[in-house]
Amino acid sequence: KQEVTQIPAALSVPEGENLVLNCSFTDSAIYNLQWFRQDPGKGLTSLLLIQSSQREQTSGRLNASLDKSSGRSTLYIAASQPGDSATYLCAVTSGNTPLVFGKGTRLSVIA
Amino acid sequence: GAVVSQHPSWVICKSGTSVKIECRSLDFQATTMFWYRQFPKQSLMLMATSNEGSKATYEQGVEKDKFLINHASLTLSTLTVTSAHPEDSSFYICSALFPGGKSEQYFGPGTRLTVT
Repeated sequence: KQEVTQIPAALSVPEGENLVLNCSFTDSAIYNLQWFRQDPGKGLTSLLLIQSSQREQTSGRLNASLDKSSGRSTLYIAASQPGDSATYLCAVTSGNTPLVFGKGTRLSVIA
Repeated sequence: GAVVSQHPSWVICKSGTSVKIECRSLDFQATTMFWYRQFPKQSLMLMATSNEGSKATYEQGVEKDKFLINHASLTLSTLTVTSAHPEDSSFYICSALFPGGKSEQYFGPGTRLTVT
């Protein structure tokens, strides 16, 4: 059974810092991995999707990497801003199947 | 990008009544949609997989007679919470599988259900 773990559970950083969020999964037979952002009381916003054949994806200040063989992914946020404060969720799927989510990392960026 | 809507965004109902939540893919057709439940400060828990034209597949521990799912068209899935109780109060989120082979899911904004 696939399990997804995210470390740290919570993170607080001053504005401007670069930071890394970690995600690991137990079954490397994934089809893709997605990173989401969730604001309190809101739905999920897809940030980046990495196919199993890809190593990384970039969107603006965000960069996600994938090491499928070791079951790890990282989300790198450059020059963090207070507006980046949210919960970041990592999820994997093995195909047209439901996503398996980690418990998320709650990020606070302090101005 | 692809948009998924949910209606209502929040609802308050009395114990014993039924509530219907709609999930729509606005600009694409989705043969598969998923329903999740989220408790405060917890991650998403899959409730069921909704397939257009067929019965939903429920996760272990989810009562199919209590959480009725109907995927009547390629753009609409509904979740009906029957005989709601206070313990059903939660945040319900749906997602739709985008066609094209990437297995990419787009999520609705969620529905906050409060049962009094």
